[in-house]
Amino acid sequence: NAGVTQTPKFQVLKTGQSMTLQCAQDMNHNSMYWYRQDPGMGLRLIYYSASEGTTDKGEVPNGYNVSRLNKREFSLRLESAAPSQTSVYFCASSEFRADRGYTFGSGTRLTVV
Amino acid sequence: AQSVTQLDSQVPVFEEAPVELRCNYSSSVSVYLFWYVQYPNQGLQLLLKYLSGSTLVKGINGFEAEFNKSQTSFHLRKPSVHISDTAEYFCAVSDRTGGGNKLTFGTGTQLKVEL
Repeated sequence: NAGVTQTPKFQVLKTGQSMTLQCAQDMNHNSMYWYRQDPGMGLRLIYYSASEGTTDKGEVPNGYNVSRLNKREFSLRLESAAPSQTSVYFCASSEFRADRGYTFGSGTRLTVV
Repeated sequence: AQSVTQLDSQVPVFEEAPVELRCNYSSSVSVYLFWYVQYPNQGLQLLLKYLSGSTLVKGINGFEAEFNKSQTSFHLRKPSVHISDTAEYFCAVSDRTGGGNKLTFGTGTQLKVEL
């Protein structure tokens, strides 16, 4: 099925470890996004890529880096994980126009101990 | 800058009763408005969106929302809920004038439908 695929679905890290969350879309969308979801705080934008070759910071970028590998793939890296980064991470993609909604992946549940 | 307020963090309702989930937004420019639904352990799915034209928008699963520019609101309604509507609902806003498609989300409303 067409859509947004995130891997892994679950991950437990120790404080200080690094990891990369992978995201790929097959809808030929220009824009891709990484959000984190925390109870009572909704979804907060970490980084986004309006088009291939560009990335920009969102609301909560500290502690994260991203790579827009090609038009399909947008990865999120935690260089040194902290307990405050325990969250559910969602990748999404969209057309460039503001009137289009997002297509979301099913999420990665990350726990940092 | 845009912001979205969902005042109700939880809304309990009995099956077959009507429900309204409230959403207010603030923005200095014209906006597009969206409602998303998140079922347990899943990603978000688009329920409906307001772009322009008629202020009453119909979406999937019998939901509808009304855009009220003077009150800067976009409340979601369903006349008769079902157990399967139990989920978290997010309101979101996008700037019409800027380039790109950044959405700002509210904090969500957990709808719990009881028998």
